[in-house]
Amino acid sequence: ELKVEQNPLFLSMQEGKNYTIYCNYSTTSDRLYWYRQDPGKSLESLFVLLSNGAVKQEGRLMASLDTKARLSTLHITAAVHDLSATYFCALGGATNKLIFGTGTLLAVQP
Amino acid sequence: ETGVTQTPRHLVMGMTNKKSLKCEQHLGHNAMYWYKQSAKKPLELMFVYSLEERVENNSVPSRFSPECPNSSHLFLHLHTLQPEDSALYLCASSQETLTSFYNEQFFGPGTRLTVL
Repeated sequence: ELKVEQNPLFLSMQEGKNYTIYCNYSTTSDRLYWYRQDPGKSLESLFVLLSNGAVKQEGRLMASLDTKARLSTLHITAAVHDLSATYFCALGGATNKLIFGTGTLLAVQP
Repeated sequence: ETGVTQTPRHLVMGMTNKKSLKCEQHLGHNAMYWYKQSAKKPLELMFVYSLEERVENNSVPSRFSPECPNSSHLFLHLHTLQPEDSALYLCASSQETLTSFYNEQFFGPGTRLTVL
């Protein structure tokens, strides 16, 4: 069974701190997506990772993909309150189907 | 209008009602999707339409009936729903080609459905 697992499911962190969200998946794929969802809002695309070793950065967020380890990470640097949201990873395959992880609820405390 | 729009944004219905959710994408994409987002569960893919043809149906109960009249519009017709069908229903679109599976999906704001 194809599984996409994120951890932690909930992350409370202080402003200014660094942390990493992990996304593990159970089958080979070279496409991994990260999305952000604010409460009551839709999903916003953050990163598209298309190959092994891909690394992308936008502001305080950096995403990477290791297809051999079947692992993607979303690293948060010097967190600020505006980053509070739920973050989802999603695995792409040979079709246009995405399998989403359970999500990580991030709460950045002042 | 830009991006992906959905109407209504909120819907409350009884188990015997019939209603429809509407999605419209203004991105020129050729694939559209319905997802269900329930509390404490991963997003569940329900239906995929590519070039107006349904290519995916993830064992969704027949009380949910999708319709894609053209590449810009997607409907989800609802009838005799159950309380456990209460959820956020998200529509998404992407551009698919025969040679590229880049398929970044763009999501609408969702319809919050409550079944009484």
